[in-house]
Amino acid sequence: NAGVTQTPKFQVLKTGQSMTLQCAQDMNHEYMSWYRQDPGMGLRLIHYSVGAGITDQGEVPNGYNVSRSTTEDFPLRLLSAAPSQTSVYFCASSRGTVTDTQYFGPGTRLTVL
Amino acid sequence: GEDVEQSLFLSVREGDSSVINCTYTDSSSTYLYWYKQEPGAGLQLLTYIFSNMDMKQDQRLTVLLNKKDKHLSLRIADTQTGDSAIYFCAESGGGTSYGKLTFGQGTILTVHP
Repeated sequence: NAGVTQTPKFQVLKTGQSMTLQCAQDMNHEYMSWYRQDPGMGLRLIHYSVGAGITDQGEVPNGYNVSRSTTEDFPLRLLSAAPSQTSVYFCASSRGTVTDTQYFGPGTRLTVL
Repeated sequence: GEDVEQSLFLSVREGDSSVINCTYTDSSSTYLYWYKQEPGAGLQLLTYIFSNMDMKQDQRLTVLLNKKDKHLSLRIADTQTGDSAIYFCAESGGGTSYGKLTFGQGTILTVHP
């Protein structure tokens, strides 16, 4: 298993540009989520999904959209990038049972100029 | 909302024990986790504890939970230079919120030879 994969690893955008961060898992996990990591603030939940076709907002959803058309993929879209979205983004997945654990991808480092 | 607090830095000598502390505010927290993040990498689950437990031991790792004080600690015995990393405490509730983790800011552990 490749586990949780994220692309790209690094990205630089200009203010106002749009892009999609990709996340995929091959473990047939129902639960997937996106976090952002900022210095001194830990990780904060952006959006999550409990299965294909179902998404919901986390703690910091503004400026981000998600969709879950398949179990494997959970892309994160930035429609109009802002410097405040400069961060490291992590995708995570789990089977979705109460005793299960989340597996994290390697992260995408995004800089918005 | 939920809040998780950690001290930001800890420095120890190789071979000593490290104790990383965490406090949380959500009394309905059901699961508490410790994650490790090495430079440039994603998060790796180290261990977790259910809220109805006081202690959990896993090789060099000991987790203590004081539910009354909402205090969680991670003790690493015989700390090695390879243990240098950022350690995150995280909590989640039960039921439908089990996968929505709230993270602390992270503790940077530095191990000196």
